[in-house]
Amino acid sequence: DADVTQTPRNRITKTGKRIMLECSQTKGHDRMYWYRQDPGLGLRLIYYSFDVKDINKGEISDGYSVSRQAQAKFSLSLESAIPNQTALYFCATSDTDRGHETQYFGPGTRLLVL
Amino acid sequence: LAKTTQPISMDSYEGQEVNITCSHNNIATNDYITWYQQFPSQGPRFIIQGYKTKVTNEVASLFIPADRKSSTLSLPRVSLSDTAVYYCLVGDGGSSNTGKLIFGQGTTLQVKP
Repeated sequence: DADVTQTPRNRITKTGKRIMLECSQTKGHDRMYWYRQDPGLGLRLIYYSFDVKDINKGEISDGYSVSRQAQAKFSLSLESAIPNQTALYFCATSDTDRGHETQYFGPGTRLLVL
Repeated sequence: LAKTTQPISMDSYEGQEVNITCSHNNIATNDYITWYQQFPSQGPRFIIQGYKTKVTNEVASLFIPADRKSSTLSLPRVSLSDTAVYYCLVGDGGSSNTGKLIFGQGTTLQVKP
């Protein structure tokens, strides 16, 4: 969905490096999410934010941190990257105007940690 | 959140109707059923969502029986471009929603010429 963009699309880094993945959205949604996907598996939630002042841990938050700089921007950081963080990372947004949630996903960032 | 069970994979041929069934025996009263489609190296894309009976949009239909313990995604006349992974998710909405979508392994649909 072009309304949700992620940078970079691909990244190779070394063990121990700090990296940041960025997500921007033009949908005007309050809620934003970070997921990771490993080969052959579904998505797992890392962190989520319901508004600028709200940050919540997902099921696999260890080794990650996030920053919600504005309604439209939600960044994911790996403080000290390790090889098992090699995965495909997705940002998503959602609104609940209709009373039930639908999430819109970005194109993904493919991360390789050597 | 209610757990879902769906077939790991399905094969079909172009032009056929494909039905993918998802079981969610522990669905809660305020849970909605949502299906997403994911192509390789892309983010999941919303297909359809429903609460009960039948929902139809330009892409698919969703059939939900009265007990809501299962649902069936129906894709009419599939084409090669419908080859993808299809995820069934169940969760509540509105003010009580924690925003946590639980993605299982999904159903890998392979459409053959």
